[in-house]
Amino acid sequence: QQQVKQSPQSLIVQKGGISIINCAYENTAFDYFPWYQQFPGKGPALLIAIRPDVSEKKEGRFTISFNKSAKQFSLHIMDSQPGDSATYFCAAVRPGGGNKLTFGTGTQLKVEL
Amino acid sequence: DAEITQSPRHKITETGRQVTLACHQTWNHNNMFWYRQDLGHGLRLIHYSYGVQDTNKGEVSDGYSVSRSNTEDLPLTLESAASSQTSVYFCASSPAGEAEAFFGQGTRLTVV
Repeated sequence: QQQVKQSPQSLIVQKGGISIINCAYENTAFDYFPWYQQFPGKGPALLIAIRPDVSEKKEGRFTISFNKSAKQFSLHIMDSQPGDSATYFCAAVRPGGGNKLTFGTGTQLKVEL
Repeated sequence: DAEITQSPRHKITETGRQVTLACHQTWNHNNMFWYRQDLGHGLRLIHYSYGVQDTNKGEVSDGYSVSRSNTEDLPLTLESAASSQTSVYFCASSPAGEAEAFFGQGTRLTVV
């Protein structure tokens, strides 16, 4: 049973375009929602994270939008660049869960010139 | 600089053999985790530890074991390797009480 559902599985975007990746969760106890970026042959690295007390968080070209009532959150990459081509994972953590990450299934993003 | 390292980076083994994957971190983090990454499944938690002598089972722990004899290391052992355990394995660590995890470079394990 996938507790965090992620879509799409793959995404192709033109350089300069907006990349959007969506995640939905079931467990309302989750209270921390990070996004990880993974380049080929590397481990995932934290990109940006949000807590449910805010609806949006922006860091440079990366924005998380959070909809608590819908139990959904999404990653927006503005002005997408070829260097953004990577696999992106959403994740969720619940309090008292010992900081264990529950991951989505991942999205392979390719930004074309 | 502090880091987390995994070894080996690549391993091919035969069905039924015991295999141990190493994970070493120099951040002095209390929390350490092992995940496996498979296409269509994302990363799934195998085992985790919150400190020396503490180990816990994750979502997909069958066929795996870990031990934590010091803060820096959390080796992952496959007792009797199976083809279903062909995967990429990631070790991660985080400070106590912190959710941000730092990942190693991964070990690609092939069981033939």
